[in-house]
Amino acid sequence: QKEVEQDPGPLSVPEGAIVSLNCTYSNSAFQYFMWYRQYSRKGPELLMYTYSSGNKEDGRFTAQVDKSSKYISLFIRDSQPSDSATYLCAMTYNTNAGKSTFGDGTTLTVKP
Amino acid sequence: EAQVTQNPRYLITVTGKKLTVTCSQNMNHEYMSWYRQDPGLGLRQIYYSMNVEVTDKGDVPEGYKVSRKEKRNFPLILESPSPNQTSLYFCASSLSIGQPQHFGDGTRLSIL
Repeated sequence: QKEVEQDPGPLSVPEGAIVSLNCTYSNSAFQYFMWYRQYSRKGPELLMYTYSSGNKEDGRFTAQVDKSSKYISLFIRDSQPSDSATYLCAMTYNTNAGKSTFGDGTTLTVKP
Repeated sequence: EAQVTQNPRYLITVTGKKLTVTCSQNMNHEYMSWYRQDPGLGLRQIYYSMNVEVTDKGDVPEGYKVSRKEKRNFPLILESPSPNQTSLYFCASSLSIGQPQHFGDGTRLSIL
């Protein structure tokens, strides 16, 4: 069983829709949580970073972490065609162990 | 401009011919890491380094070597490449463990 499971998608929504992307994890040692966006033929780029349960907002993006349920989400409001990309959740431990674990990614298409 | 630079971007080679993929970052980051990305398998960590001369295995280290002689460089070495190492490879760096990572634009390797 994978340590991190990400809703597989693909997801196709109309412009302006609210998008919800989700990951669950099994290891409670994960303490840092990130969402990355990856456009075709490019490396992932950081969207959101958090280390505590609760919500963190940045413009149209909201990251939600629920450590008790081992569940993280990324919400995109007023989605735009430029949001079309693959979204990856990622987690790391709060120790000297340097391993990072990524979800498999969810591909989102926002149609004009 | 802050960046992670990988070379080459594309390489087609044959089984058994040693190759090195270079990675350099200009942000004075302590932590560097290599990943491979395969369809349906997501982003998997190969090796990481928490500082100069400190490296450790990720989830899929077999068939790969790394070294960290200088803070800015973290080359990935395939001593005897095989077709199952055909993949898209990403180098990444971060200020320290648990911090968001900056990714290069990837190296697409094809081993025939």
